[in-house]
Amino acid sequence: QKEVEQNSGPLSVPEGAIASLNCTYSDRGSQSFFWYRQYSGKSPELIMSIYSNGDKEDGRFTAQLNKASQYVSLLIRDSQPSDSATYLCAVNAGGTSYGKLTFGQGTILTVHP
Amino acid sequence: GAVVSQHPSWVICKSGTSVKIECRSLDFQATTMFWYRQFPKQSLMLMATSNEGSKATYEQGVEKDKFLINHASLTLSTLTVTSAHPEDSSFYICSAHGGAHEQYFGPGTRLTVT
Repeated sequence: QKEVEQNSGPLSVPEGAIASLNCTYSDRGSQSFFWYRQYSGKSPELIMSIYSNGDKEDGRFTAQLNKASQYVSLLIRDSQPSDSATYLCAVNAGGTSYGKLTFGQGTILTVHP
Repeated sequence: GAVVSQHPSWVICKSGTSVKIECRSLDFQATTMFWYRQFPKQSLMLMATSNEGSKATYEQGVEKDKFLINHASLTLSTLTVTSAHPEDSSFYICSAHGGAHEQYFGPGTRLTVT
């Protein structure tokens, strides 16, 4: 079983729609959760971090965390073609592995005009 | 967010030679940096954790004698790929903590071994 798993995608949404990206993790002791965006040929860019249950909003992005279900998601409202990228979910277990991130396999998002 | 730089951004080398990649935190001090490798159409795989002033911690399956990591200062970590072979061709990315939990990535180094 993969430690961090994302919905396989690719995901295609029309411009202006809501894109929903999902991620589950296996380590119940995980402390910190991140969403990164990666354009082709580039390194990942941090777009959201979330540490406690509930929702966290930043502009068009909303991260949702449910530790009981070991689930974290990212919603992108009013999707734009520039949002087309691979989105990586990353989890930090904390404790002695402080700082180490485990990445999901990524979900490719395409926003078409 | 915090700024992390890498040099070079791309490099081509011949099989059997060694290549050094530098990772710098430009506007903050990083006691810990991380080195990742990413093959085409795959996710990032952590290679090692680089600790300032001490030996790096390597992930299982990563050869420490092949991938030499030095973290001599709070703003610089280097990765040397020794005796590179074509299968080492990949996108190497470093990251550093910019705050309590967030990691910020360098722009990456694309290595091609011919």
